[in-house]
Amino acid sequence: SQKIEQNSEALNIQEGKTATLTCNYTNYSPAYLQWYRQDPGRGPVFLLLIRENEKEKRKERLKVTFDTTLKQSLFHITASQPADSATYLCALGYAGNMLTFGGGTRLMVKP
Amino acid sequence: DVKVTQSSRYLVKRTGEKVFLECVQDMDHENMFWYRQDPGLGLRLIYFSYDVKMKEKGDIPEGYSVSREKKERFSLILESASTNQTSMYLCASSFNQLLGETQYFGPGTRLLVL
Repeated sequence: SQKIEQNSEALNIQEGKTATLTCNYTNYSPAYLQWYRQDPGRGPVFLLLIRENEKEKRKERLKVTFDTTLKQSLFHITASQPADSATYLCALGYAGNMLTFGGGTRLMVKP
Repeated sequence: DVKVTQSSRYLVKRTGEKVFLECVQDMDHENMFWYRQDPGLGLRLIYFSYDVKMKEKGDIPEGYSVSREKKERFSLILESASTNQTSMYLCASSFNQLLGETQYFGPGTRLLVL
């Protein structure tokens, strides 16, 4: 079965730096990959989607890359702010199937 | 804005009780989902529904059932609650999952079974 690995340890960075979160998967590549943000006690909120034929996607300070050779997606937040502190989940989607979520990585941005 | 609401934010029940968790979405979405989220295990799909009265088992359906009598409402039922069902329960909806559509989540229900 598909296994998704996100760093379970919290990522601590200084305000203004770029945060980079990793999502690795095993087996076959997904048709698309999504990233969600989740604040404590709340449901996840969609941020970005990238399809298998796309290398990179950007939205404001966010950037996602998708490397099917490495079986990896990287999620970048540039000029990070304390308000970016949250847990970030990646989710893999396969044609005809539902999303499979990773365990998430907690990001802490310190002022 | 899409809105997904869940009937309770916090719920405390006793072992053996029958528990109903309700979810309502206001965007006429075809698909609705129930997940549970536990530390270190991420979101795990319990059941989903792609149409009224239709349901499909997810990864962990044991001990749960669902009901979708109306398009906007998807209920999760714990027939006889057990302590290992203590968890955060999240409902989500989407228009067309097969095309990579976004899932919109509710705020979650934190269930404690004593």
